[in-house]
Amino acid sequence: EPEVTQTPSHQVTQMGQEVILRCVPISNHLYFYWYRQILGQKVEFLVSFYNNEISEKSEIFDDQFSVERPDGSNFTLKIRSTKLEDSAMYFCASLREGAYNEQFFGPGTRLTVL
Amino acid sequence: RKEVEQDPGPFNVPEGATVAFNCTYSNSASQSFFWYRQDCRKEPKLLMSVYSSGNEDGRFTAQLNRASQYISLLIRDSKLSDSATYLCVVNNFNKFYFGSGTKLNVKP
Repeated sequence: EPEVTQTPSHQVTQMGQEVILRCVPISNHLYFYWYRQILGQKVEFLVSFYNNEISEKSEIFDDQFSVERPDGSNFTLKIRSTKLEDSAMYFCASLREGAYNEQFFGPGTRLTVL
Repeated sequence: RKEVEQDPGPFNVPEGATVAFNCTYSNSASQSFFWYRQDCRKEPKLLMSVYSSGNEDGRFTAQLNRASQYISLLIRDSKLSDSATYLCVVNNFNKFYFGSGTKLNVKP
């Protein structure tokens, strides 16, 4: 069964550095999402992406964040200048459209900002 | 008011027990509803979509009450492997709102 994949599984970076998190959504899905989950807290929506543009974003998704679909398969989240509070799990998800529009998640990238 | 609310638990139950979780949502226009399971430090995995008429998948039964804006999940004959956090998720025009999750511990 097709799966969402994410790389790297763990990224350690220094505060102020740029990071790019990568996702390969399921190939015939059209909606893609990024979420974050700070340890011990709930899953928080960051951004949704459809038809090569952002369809919605949360207040967390400020100017430090950007998303891109540079080719037909990858979907990336860039954080320009990381802060300590960006340390979290970042999950990518893609949506299977249908009667219930179910989301499927990748295994996540654990980002640690030092 | 939060979009989706769940009792955080934990629910500590013995193997074989039946346990039920509820979840309430605030937006009456929400279109679809889901239960996800999340193990520690792993991604949420879709457990089941919640159909308007209610649906069952093995030991798991989900119900939706649109009038009262709540969703429930019933787990029968709990197994040790059911120990996890159960997330209630509500879809409103392809924007998904997550509850904070209900933790279940099934003990031998």
